[in-house]
Amino acid sequence: KNEVEQSPQNLTAQEGEFITINCSYSVGISALHWLQQHPGGGIVSLFMLSSGKKKHGRLIATINIQEKHSSLHITASHPRDSAVYICAVHYGGSQGNLIFGKGTKLSVKP
Amino acid sequence: SAVISQKPSRDICQRGTSLTIQCQVDSQVTMMFWYRQQPGQSLTLIATANQGSEATYESGFVIDKFPISRPNLTFSTLTVSNLSPEDSSIYLCSARSGGAYNEQFFGPGTRLTVL
Repeated sequence: KNEVEQSPQNLTAQEGEFITINCSYSVGISALHWLQQHPGGGIVSLFMLSSGKKKHGRLIATINIQEKHSSLHITASHPRDSAVYICAVHYGGSQGNLIFGKGTKLSVKP
Repeated sequence: SAVISQKPSRDICQRGTSLTIQCQVDSQVTMMFWYRQQPGQSLTLIATANQGSEATYESGFVIDKFPISRPNLTFSTLTVSNLSPEDSSIYLCSARSGGAYNEQFFGPGTRLTVL
């Protein structure tokens, strides 16, 4: 069983739709990252959070530590949001490593 | 924040050869990591690059296959040796800043294809 599970694996949306990507994990963590990977492979860190909610532009990330669950929301989606979104959990304190989910491939159609 | 650059961005190599990937961070960081992402898979940690000493390898990865250098706090190299088609992957350099929040940054990746 993967320690970090994302759903859905693939998601196709129409431009303007509200999108939610979910991440569940089974280990105790100190922080959770949401990452964006574009087709070329490069990864950009969108959020790192350990509680509550963060917002940046059209992106919102929430985390429920008790339920071991996080969501990434995209409002007013746009074709340029098309990418793979990866959830990663940071465990083991300051020297701990990241465990990555397999990613959710998002395609936003114009 | 830290900006990470990698060279090359992509390469096509012949079986049996080696490829060295360079990673440069624009600021001093406490930890540097090398990850591999095989097609359709999530990222897997290869090793933690330690400044001035041997890298710390994860289970399944060995120094002879993946020699790593980190001569200072901002630079590291990963060599993938004796290439086979199974080594075709994206290789990502990552760095972590110090402090309470342990923010982690990622490089643009190197896409390797082995023929």
